[in-house]
Amino acid sequence: AQKVTQAQTEISVVEKEDVTLDCVYETRDTTYYLFWYKQPPSGELVFLIRRNSFDEQNEISGRYSWNFQKSTSSFNFTITASQVVDSAVYFCALSEAPTGANNLFFGTGTRLTVIP
Amino acid sequence: SAVISQKPSRDICQRGTSLTIQCQVDSQVTMMFWYRQQPGQSLTLIATANQGSEATYESGFVIDKFPISRPNLTFSTLTVSNMSPEDSSIYLCSVRGVGGVPGEQFFGPGTRLTVL
Repeated sequence: AQKVTQAQTEISVVEKEDVTLDCVYETRDTTYYLFWYKQPPSGELVFLIRRNSFDEQNEISGRYSWNFQKSTSSFNFTITASQVVDSAVYFCALSEAPTGANNLFFGTGTRLTVIP
Repeated sequence: SAVISQKPSRDICQRGTSLTIQCQVDSQVTMMFWYRQQPGQSLTLIATANQGSEATYESGFVIDKFPISRPNLTFSTLTVSNMSPEDSSIYLCSVRGVGGVPGEQFFGPGTRLTVL
């Protein structure tokens, strides 16, 4: 079964609109980490955030905010007042038992296009 | 965070040849990983590069096709052997354990490989 599901394959928004990228995960572990990465057209993966399973506080960093809800196994990412530079593929990822396990399970990514 | 460099950044290779990709980290890290990202796809873990021992390969990947070396805590190589066009992908090196922070994982800039 898919451990990380990003149901939105592609999203297009007009500049300055808000956009939310959805991420639903599946795990039996009680200790895990969730990540968001940005992959711009240049190809590198840019780390955005890491959240551990014991911290359900939402986080805001500038125009970015993350909503972690264990009850729905979701870790959604919102960009406020989107800009053209936000155009990229965004990946949500899950790491189980991070001190021991080796793998980051990636979702299939959401391609965000911000139209000027 | 860690500064990760990869060489080469991109290459175009002929079918049947081999390419070795280098990954250098600016600090000692406990875990190094190699991922593959096929065109338009998500990231898939190839193997974990273990310092001083053989790499641990994920299902679907074998040592003969993707030999890996990790001679020390800051360096690893991945070789793509006997290449075919299906090997055309971005290959990413990743590290975890920088500064002992659990769960943080960073990626190199990737090597974009095209096999003709």
